[in-house]
Amino acid sequence: QQKVQQSPESLTVSEGAMASLNCTFSDGTSNNFRWYRQHSAKGLEVLVSIFSDGEKEEGRFTAHLNRANLHVSLHIREPQPSDSAVYLCAVRNNYAQGLTFGLGTRVSVFP
Amino acid sequence: EAGVTQSPRYAVLQEGQAVSFWCDPISGHDTLYWYQQPRDQGPQLLVYFRDEAVIDNSQLPSDRFSAVRPKGTNSTLKIQSAKQGDTATYLCASSFRGREQYFGPGTRLTVL
Repeated sequence: QQKVQQSPESLTVSEGAMASLNCTFSDGTSNNFRWYRQHSAKGLEVLVSIFSDGEKEEGRFTAHLNRANLHVSLHIREPQPSDSAVYLCAVRNNYAQGLTFGLGTRVSVFP
Repeated sequence: EAGVTQSPRYAVLQEGQAVSFWCDPISGHDTLYWYQQPRDQGPQLLVYFRDEAVIDNSQLPSDRFSAVRPKGTNSTLKIQSAKQGDTATYLCASSFRGREQYFGPGTRLTVL
C-alpha cells in the first residue's frame, strides 16, 4: 500500500524567501504526483502536477521529481502572506484512480 | 464553469444520529470521489464512482457508511449512526476520465 510522508510538519518563512517542502513515497512505480494547497476551511487547490522525473514550473511553484529516490519536492518562489496554508502532496497509484495524500506541511509566511 | 459544490457546509450532531452529504460534480465529469479528512491529516479516499457504478469502496466503513450516485451525476454520502471518530471534513472531487481531480469546499462534520 502506498505510503506518503511529508516534511517538515510546519514551516515559517519571510515574505520573499524561498520555501521548500519535501515528500517521499513508497511505490517507485508511481508516475502521477500533485501538490495541493488548502486554506483553512476551504477545498483543495491544485498547484502543480508532475508525471516524469525532472522539474515542472507553474508560476511561482516548482515541483521536482526523482522517482529513483522516491522523492518529490515543492519550491515556492517569493512567498506571500496569502500563501500561508497547508500544502499537501498526493500520489496516484498506477492501479487505482484515488489519490494517496501525505499529512501536509503547514506554511506560514510573515511580512 | 461552476466548480464542485457540496452541501451542507457544516453539520453538528449527537452520536447515533444519521447525516447525509450531497455533492454536485462539475458538469460532464464521469468520475466522482469521496474523501474523509480528519483534522490535521490528509484526505483519505472512501469511495469513487465512474458514472453510476462503484469502482472502489474498499475504504468505506460499510456497516455505517453508504454512498450512491444513481444517475451518474450527483452523489450522496450517508452515515447511518455517527460516532465521534467520524468527526472530519468530507470532501467530494470529480474528474473527467481519471484526469485532474477538482475538489469541492467540503462538509465539516462534528459528532458530539
